[in-house]
Amino acid sequence: DTAVSQTPKYLVTQMGNDKSIKCEQNLGHDTMYWYKQDSKKFLKIMFSYNNKELIINETVPNRFSPKSPDKAHLNLHINSLELGDSAVYFCASSHAGANTEAFFGQGTRLTVV
Amino acid sequence: AQTVTQSQPEMSVQEAETVTLSCTYDTSESDYYLFWYKQPPSRQMILVIRQEAYKQQNATENRFSVNFQKAAKSFSLKISDSQLGDAAMYFCAYRRLNNNDMRFGAGTRLTVKP
Repeated sequence: DTAVSQTPKYLVTQMGNDKSIKCEQNLGHDTMYWYKQDSKKFLKIMFSYNNKELIINETVPNRFSPKSPDKAHLNLHINSLELGDSAVYFCASSHAGANTEAFFGQGTRLTVV
Repeated sequence: AQTVTQSQPEMSVQEAETVTLSCTYDTSESDYYLFWYKQPPSRQMILVIRQEAYKQQNATENRFSVNFQKAAKSFSLKISDSQLGDAAMYFCAYRRLNNNDMRFGAGTRLTVKP
């Protein structure tokens, strides 16, 4: 039973397209995240949702929009894809509270050509 | 803003030997949590160990232990009896109390030589 699952695992698309990455967690967590890992392996938080409320929105282009239909899902929509968007995107979830670790999905490798 | 620094982009260790990965962080908070994550080639992020800042005792998980120096804002990971399966990227992470934001360092790539 996968705790945090992302689909798809790989996504290759052309510049200018719009794409979505789905994330679901079955851990009963109330907080979900999206992270971007660039080619140098640097992990940067993009969004955090707690009880369907956006908590963190770092300096992310507004072409990226998280959508959370319920506590168990946090999807990432990306409009007008650019070459620089190529990266691995990780979904994660955790209980609220700093002492709990985040559980990560397996990542989605997005390649924009 | 809190920042996490891992000054060693790459480290290598001989199988069965011990290696220490460094991590420092910057914060004005007194209560927070620190984590080490492992990312093998499979890409999966796996929690290795966590440390609560209010605890003086260093956390230990089997062959993994930390050296937490709160005053120095240092949180190093020691891996004893290194195994081939320990080869991975290791990320140090900081999380403020009552905050959901987990910040990661740039990572250290660990190679284990047979």
